Amino acid sequence: DAKTTQPNSMESNEEEPVHLPCNHSTISGTDYIHWYRQLPSQGPEYVIHGLTSNVNNRMASLAIAEDRKSSTLILHRATLRDAAVYYCILKETSYDKVIFGPGTSLSVIP
Amino acid sequence: DAGVIQSPRHEVTEMGQEVTLRCKPISGHDYLFWYRQTMMRGLELLIYFNNNVPIDDSGMPEDRFSAKMPNASFSTLKIQPSEPRDSAVYFCASSAPDRAPYNEQFFGPGTRLTVL
Repeated sequence: DAKTTQPNSMESNEEEPVHLPCNHSTISGTDYIHWYRQLPSQGPEYVIHGLTSNVNNRMASLAIAEDRKSSTLILHRATLRDAAVYYCILKETSYDKVIFGPGTSLSVIP
Repeated sequence: DAGVIQSPRHEVTEMGQEVTLRCKPISGHDYLFWYRQTMMRGLELLIYFNNNVPIDDSGMPEDRFSAKMPNASFSTLKIQPSEPRDSAVYFCASSAPDRAPYNEQFFGPGTRLTVL
């Protein structure tokens, strides 16, 4: 499985933008980049995914480097409810499963 | 839709006892996944099913663990006999067939298992 590398933890001030980085230098051409997050005492929830182009949805934006070796999840205005562990995952097109790494623990400071 | 439903939400049992965790996936979803989460090992995939058939059980830790999916709306994860090291939060997730190849997964609230 292609691996991802994320910082263990990050801090952000409330109402500020947050950029969560992810390195995936061994990504293959058929790997999708998925992001999930896990709020305290809850199951993970899907945030966003992309292949080559930048993506936006109601939760976040995903910026993918041109060489696809890295990506950044962008929360445009962090709220206290965004404090969670964020997982960056590579999912092969032909595989059904995803493998979770340790993720980045995001703290939001009021 | 109620989302993925898991029961019980909390289970406390004694070593050696049989434990059964239950999951009801979202209606219409044809993939079902069982995960285990601990502080030491993070979130681990144990087994997953497609159309009620087990596809990959390579994450099941040992023979004490078994999982079944008798129909499209119900799955169980059984531990017999249970041991203290099985204490963890167990999550069930499902995904929809029409979302391939993205297959985003929808997780249940989890079952917190404590084996004394």
